Amino acid sequence: DSGVTQTPKHLITATGQRVTLRCSPRSGDLSVYWYQQSLDQGLQFLIQYYNGEERAKGNILERFSAQQFPDLHSELNLSSLELGDSALYFCASSSSTGTDTQYFGPGTRLTVL
Amino acid sequence: GENVEQHPSTLSVQEGDSAVIKCTYSDSASNYFPWYKQELGKRPQLIIDIRSNVGEKKDQRIAVTLNKTAKHFSLHITETQPEDSAVYFCAASRAGRRALTFGSGTRLQVQP
Repeated sequence: DSGVTQTPKHLITATGQRVTLRCSPRSGDLSVYWYQQSLDQGLQFLIQYYNGEERAKGNILERFSAQQFPDLHSELNLSSLELGDSALYFCASSSSTGTDTQYFGPGTRLTVL
Repeated sequence: GENVEQHPSTLSVQEGDSAVIKCTYSDSASNYFPWYKQELGKRPQLIIDIRSNVGEKKDQRIAVTLNKTAKHFSLHITETQPEDSAVYFCAASRAGRRALTFGSGTRLQVQP
C-alpha cells in the first residue's frame, strides 16, 4: 500500500457525461500528479498540483480540469466524455517539487459506453 | 519536451536467467530516473531509482545503470523468478518539471 488513495475504483458512464475522480495523497505530501493510462498511449502525464496551485500541465484535454483543495486532496474532472477517454487514471504524490519519488494510488478505471 | 524510448517491448526469459531492459532519454536536463513495475490492473510500483549524480545503484537482485553522456539507462534483474513477470516502465524527470515522462513499457515473462 503506497498510502495514496483514489476513489472510486471503477466508474462506468455514458458518452457526453461528466465525472469526478478523487485522490488523497500520502500524509505530508504536497504534490499531486495525475496520469492517464490507456492501452495505446501508455502512461501519460496530465497535470500537477503543489500545495493547492497548478504547477505543470501535460497532455490534458480542455474537457478535463483538476484542482487541489486546502486539505491537499485533489479532484480530476472529466466532462463531455468520449469513448476514447476510457482508461485507468492514476494519481501520484510526492513530498515536494524536488526530484522526489512519486507514489502511485490504485487508480480509477473509467469505462465510457 | 522529454522523450523516453524503451526496449524491448516484450522479453521472455527462463527462471534464473538475467533480464535487461534499456531506455534512452532526449532531455539532457533530466536528472531523475525511476523504474516502476506494474502488474495487470494494479498501480505502478517503484522498484528502484537513480539520480544523475550516480552511475549505478543496486538493490538485491535489481540494479540500474546510468550513462549520462549517452543519455541511456538500463534495468538489470538477476536470478529472475516467476513473480518478476510484469510490465516494467522506465521514466525520467528534470529539475523544475517533476512530472514523469514514461517509456512505453516492457512486458517481462519469466518461464518456470
